[in-house]
Amino acid sequence: KQEVTQIPAALSVPEGENLVLNCSFTDSAIYNLQWFRQDPGKGLTSLLLIQSSQREQTSGRLNASLDKSSGRSTLYIAASQPGDSATYLCAVRSQGAQKLVFGQGTRLTINP
Amino acid sequence: DAGVIQSPRHEVTEMGQEVTLRCKPISGHDYLFWYRQTMMRGLELLIYFNNNVPIDDSGMPEDRFSAKMPNASFSTLKIQPSEPRDSAVYFCASSRDTRGEKLFFGSGTQLSVL
Repeated sequence: KQEVTQIPAALSVPEGENLVLNCSFTDSAIYNLQWFRQDPGKGLTSLLLIQSSQREQTSGRLNASLDKSSGRSTLYIAASQPGDSATYLCAVRSQGAQKLVFGQGTRLTINP
Repeated sequence: DAGVIQSPRHEVTEMGQEVTLRCKPISGHDYLFWYRQTMMRGLELLIYFNNNVPIDDSGMPEDRFSAKMPNASFSTLKIQPSEPRDSAVYFCASSRDTRGEKLFFGSGTQLSVL
């Protein structure tokens, strides 16, 4: 059974810092991994999707990496801004499964 | 595209009442998912459909929960009778396929059962 863990549960950093959010999963046989952002009271927005054959994906100031063999992914946020404050969730789709398994998320606060 | 549309945004009801949540997926998306989110359990998949057919309902908590997808543009999640422990945010999401496509979420329905 696939399990996804995100550490830390919460993170607070000053504006302008580069930061890394971590995601680990127990079963390396995956189709893909997605990083989502959730603002308070809102739905989830997909930020980046990494296929199992890929090592990383980039979108603007965001870079997500995938190390399938070690069961880890990181989301790198460069030059953080207060508008980046949100909860970030990673989700994994295992091979042979149609559904995503989500981590509990990291609540990120960027202080002006 | 308007995205995934859910209604109502908020629902407050009394224990024992029937609750119906509605979802309109993005046009052209073949997969529709119903999730529930709570502080304690995070995001849980309840059920998903492919081409309007329920594929996996193993996440549905009990017989009080039922879901239908009568056509490609509409799905409902019904709770009858509702209980206070059903209080949560219920999300609907859709995608073109489940392998290489992103999942798009609606804004959710905040359900409070008193």
